[in-house]
Amino acid sequence: EAGVTQFPSHSVIEKGQTVTLRCDPISGHDNLYWYRRVMGKEIKFLLHFVKESKQDESGMPNNRFLAERTGGTYSTLKVQPAELEDSGVYFCASSRTITDTQYFGPGTRLTVL
Amino acid sequence: DQQVKQNSPSLSVQEGRISILNCDYTNSMFDYFLWYKKYPAEGPTFLISISSIKDKNEDGRFTVFLNKSAKHLSLHIVPSQPGDSAVYFCAASHLGFKTIFGAGTRLFVKA
Repeated sequence: EAGVTQFPSHSVIEKGQTVTLRCDPISGHDNLYWYRRVMGKEIKFLLHFVKESKQDESGMPNNRFLAERTGGTYSTLKVQPAELEDSGVYFCASSRTITDTQYFGPGTRLTVL
Repeated sequence: DQQVKQNSPSLSVQEGRISILNCDYTNSMFDYFLWYKKYPAEGPTFLISISSIKDKNEDGRFTVFLNKSAKHLSLHIVPSQPGDSAVYFCAASHLGFKTIFGAGTRLFVKA
């Protein structure tokens, strides 16, 4: 069974530019989560999809961040326009049910210059 | 407001000895606790969990202890091996709602 994959693995952009991160969950996992870790701090919850619906987006920092999960399969997280403080590692995780173990992808390291 | 705290950024242990990683939480509503392990350039991987109805859960060399009155949990690794060197994250959740993670403790196991 393939794990959670994320693309790209690294992204370096300038302040004001747009970046789109992609996550492909494990097949059959209805629950998809986005997290962010900034420079050695805690892994912070951003949002949770159940299939294509946003179950909880309370962790989204502001309206520069837009997450989608069309068709309930892969998800994208767009940052527009990017700011310096958006730098960090963005993790995606998926689980079959809401109480099942979450499986994490390798993360996308975003650097905003 | 950090609800899950790992106050030790790093821990160094000799191979074969016990590693004890600690975690404190503030939200008494948390009913499920997890430990994840993370190697460089990889995502966190689930290690072990414990429900709030238990005070201990064991899986091979890994044991998690929960002290609800103190709002404290710990992960014991016995015996520690060099391959255990990684960052360990404590996490907590309530009824399947969003999982709250700590900042992690980097464990170094010296051969």
